Order: sequence, then structure tokens, then C-alpha cells
Amino acid sequence: DTAVSQTPKYLVTQMGNDKSIKCEQNLGHDTMYWYKQDSKKFLKIMFSYNNKELIINETVPNRFSPKSPDKAHLNLHINSLELGDSAVYFCASSQLAGGPTSAQYFGPGTRLLVL
Amino acid sequence: AQSVTQLDSHVSVSEGTPVLLRCNYSSSYSPSLFWYVQHPNKGLQLLLKYTSAATLVKGINGFEAEFKKSETSFHLTKPSAHMSDAAEYFCVVRDGLGGGADGLTFGKGTHLIIQP
Repeated sequence: DTAVSQTPKYLVTQMGNDKSIKCEQNLGHDTMYWYKQDSKKFLKIMFSYNNKELIINETVPNRFSPKSPDKAHLNLHINSLELGDSAVYFCASSQLAGGPTSAQYFGPGTRLLVL
Repeated sequence: AQSVTQLDSHVSVSEGTPVLLRCNYSSSYSPSLFWYVQHPNKGLQLLLKYTSAATLVKGINGFEAEFKKSETSFHLTKPSAHMSDAAEYFCVVRDGLGGGADGLTFGKGTHLIIQP
């Protein structure tokens, strides 16, 4: 009955590879997000989607491409992985109708290591 | 634009003593403020949130935070620390001007250490 789930939990891969991270939420929320947490634990928004439409696209290399097949899923595909992509990636969801006061609920994170 | 400053990167307290984690924010409009906790190798869990209904906000696990507009602060407190409180704590702001789909702006985190 996990609210926000991500797969895989760990991902170790070589530079230049392409990989995907999947996210699913069963909270009935209509807005989903991807955040990146660097080695110093700093978290930064990457993307947000509302009802499958891109709302926010922060300054992220275009090697990162989010895809939302439906409002319960937001996947992250990364092309040509680089060493600097090593980080923990968190998916989150919230309900847009709650406005700015709406809390976001986070998944357990995917730890990506690029060798 | 909004920003958050967590004044201490590390805080160490003894078990059973009070906890104070400091946070100052900057926001161009009435902000929403949150505290999240991250236990080692875990995801982020919402502790509490301020949404202008009351300045003193109670959260889970005995934590509370007080919104002080004059000081632009939202410090997190707990009367008595427990070993299980050892974790990373993030103060988070969201500008009231933004829409509900805006990302959260995180502070750099405070690592709370509990001494036995």
C-alpha cells in the first residue's frame, strides 16, 4: 500500500548508457515531480507534471526526458549518462487543487551511480 | 523568488534534552512552509506544514514549529529528543504567488545527532 513508489531503488551503470526510473503514486494526486538530491544532500526540483502535462522544466540537460503515461505515473529517462548524474532521484506527488499549501509526498528515492 | 536558510548544518543534543533546528526564509509573498525529515537511506517524510491558519504548528513525533513573520523564521523544536530522531531535517518554502504545481525550495538540511 505504498503511496509513492519508485523502481529501481538502486541503479549502477556505465557512462554513456541510457536508463529509466519509474514512479507511481496511488494517492489519487494529479501532480507529480522529480527532484535530484546531490552528494551534499541538496534537493532541487527538476520537473513537475499536472495531469500528464509538463508544468515545470528547470534548467536540466535535455538528456533528461520525463514521460507521464497517465496522472499516476511519471517516469524519468536519462540518455548518455554522465558521471555528474550520480545522485539520488526522488519522485513526489501532490494535489493541485490544494494550491501552494499542498504538501508533496515523496517516494523512497532511486540511488543512481554512474561509473 | 523564495529561499531558505538553515542556520546549522549539524546539531548535536543528548537524548531527553530539547531540540532546536533553525530556519529563516525569504519569500516575496505569503509563504507556505514545511519541515521534512529524511532518515538514513530513506525517502522524505513530511513532519509538519504552515499554511497561515495558526502560527504554532504541531507535527508528527512530538515536533512543532512556530512561524514568526517579523523574524522570517520557522524554527523546529521538540521538548525531548529520542534516539530515533537522528536524521536529516529540511526546511522548505513555497511562495504563495506560485501555483500548486510549483516545486518546493529546500534548505540545505540540518543533520541532527542524538547522543546517548
